[in-house]
Amino acid sequence: QITLKESGPTLLKPTQTLTLTCTFSGFSLTTDGVGVGWIRQPPGKALEWLAVIYWDDDERYSPSLKTRLTVTKDTSKNQVILRMTNVDPADTATYFCAHTDVMHWGEVSIYDFWGQGTLVSVSS
Amino acid sequence: QSVLTQPPSVSAAPGQKVSISCSGSSSNIGGNYVSWYQQLPGSAPTLLIYDNTKRSPGVPDRFSGSKSGTSATLGIAGLHTGDEAEYYCATWDSSLSAVLFGSGTTVTVL
Repeated sequence: QITLKESGPTLLKPTQTLTLTCTFSGFSLTTDGVGVGWIRQPPGKALEWLAVIYWDDDERYSPSLKTRLTVTKDTSKNQVILRMTNVDPADTATYFCAHTDVMHWGEVSIYDFWGQGTLVSVSS
Repeated sequence: QSVLTQPPSVSAAPGQKVSISCSGSSSNIGGNYVSWYQQLPGSAPTLLIYDNTKRSPGVPDRFSGSKSGTSATLGIAGLHTGDEAEYYCATWDSSLSAVLFGSGTTVTVL
């Protein structure tokens, strides 16, 4: 049974750095094809893909946010960490982490298990 | 603003069918598979359709997907109130090297 759960601060001030942790179970990030992605959703708005890290340490980022994002993994703790620098009120959103398996699905845009999401607000 | 364009909302009476379009370009929908997600109010998205037309395990056959050129369509037949949700298309963009989500469509059962 695959589960993921996001954790981190609920409130940040502009210019601060956001660090979110995705703790997962039911799969290993050392298994070929497996990845964990981050997707966010501002209140009342659409989903926005942010980044993904794969079993082989390959990292991909949204071009519009690439300079501000870093994703890392700790396979011993079954965790993936997303770091976003210089946050702005426009970064207020629910942040989701989600499981993907490119070997199983044969493509990279499929996220089959999602965490419940965590709401992060940015305000002065 | 999303590169993948969906109608903001669609609606129909119970038992009827709705279709949701997702319009993109040759670098995304035109050259890659499309998936569809359902997001019930207050919940995380769930995978409905992948590889343009295939239903995720457990998804009823009332849900269908298709793709033609640079557009994709999600169909929901036999609507019931449990289908009221936000629906998103998604695909890979080969030029951006990024996953794209659509702008989202709210389905309302009248």
